[in-house]
Amino acid sequence: DSGVTQTPKHLITATGQRVTLRCSPRSGDLSVYWYQQSLDQGLQFLIQYYNGEERAKGNILERFSAQQFPDLHSELNLSSLELGDSALYFCASSPGLAGEGNEQFFGPGTRLTVL
Amino acid sequence: AQKITQTQPGMFVQEKEAVTLDCTYDTSDPSYGLFWYKQPSSGEMIFLIYQGSYDQQNATEGRYSLNFQKARKSANLVISASQLGDSAMYFCAMREVRSNDYKLSFGAGTTVTVRA
Repeated sequence: DSGVTQTPKHLITATGQRVTLRCSPRSGDLSVYWYQQSLDQGLQFLIQYYNGEERAKGNILERFSAQQFPDLHSELNLSSLELGDSALYFCASSPGLAGEGNEQFFGPGTRLTVL
Repeated sequence: AQKITQTQPGMFVQEKEAVTLDCTYDTSDPSYGLFWYKQPSSGEMIFLIYQGSYDQQNATEGRYSLNFQKARKSANLVISASQLGDSAMYFCAMREVRSNDYKLSFGAGTTVTVRA
């Protein structure tokens, strides 16, 4: 158990819908990262938050947005869902930004299926 | 350009034998970190081992060791004394310090199947 929690574990929805994925980082970790894992794109970085502020953006679609709240939990919002959004979405956390050996601890993931 | 290349899509290894998973990387950042993660069929990502670009010695963690060849830009993972529970997908990842965002760039992964 990495200490990172994600809910829900599975999500099945229809095209055009909107969903929210939730992540609670490990206790004390200030950085939260979101990754998408799909069969055709592999594991891709979406977005990072550090202590409530957006820090970096990767290949995140405009239909997707995220935020990190004062209690450091984060939510990833996916809207106008398409079939191609079906994927495993991971949240990861790390203590901060300083230092190289800052491994990221991954949550169990949310498997999103868009029908 | 691909930052992390894992050329072996799948490998079979006999139980109790060692297996080496290849990983090459591409960066112009003098400061970076290399990571290996394991993803079993259940889906979670498990951190295995880390190597910093300035580390003089190869990293080791139990049965996992990293064969770091900086000049060749390779960071191969060696799993010794393979166990059935090692059957999983293995990902090599890199973080470039210059980017200052600490995101990980992942390779495509290598599936390892351990045979009894």
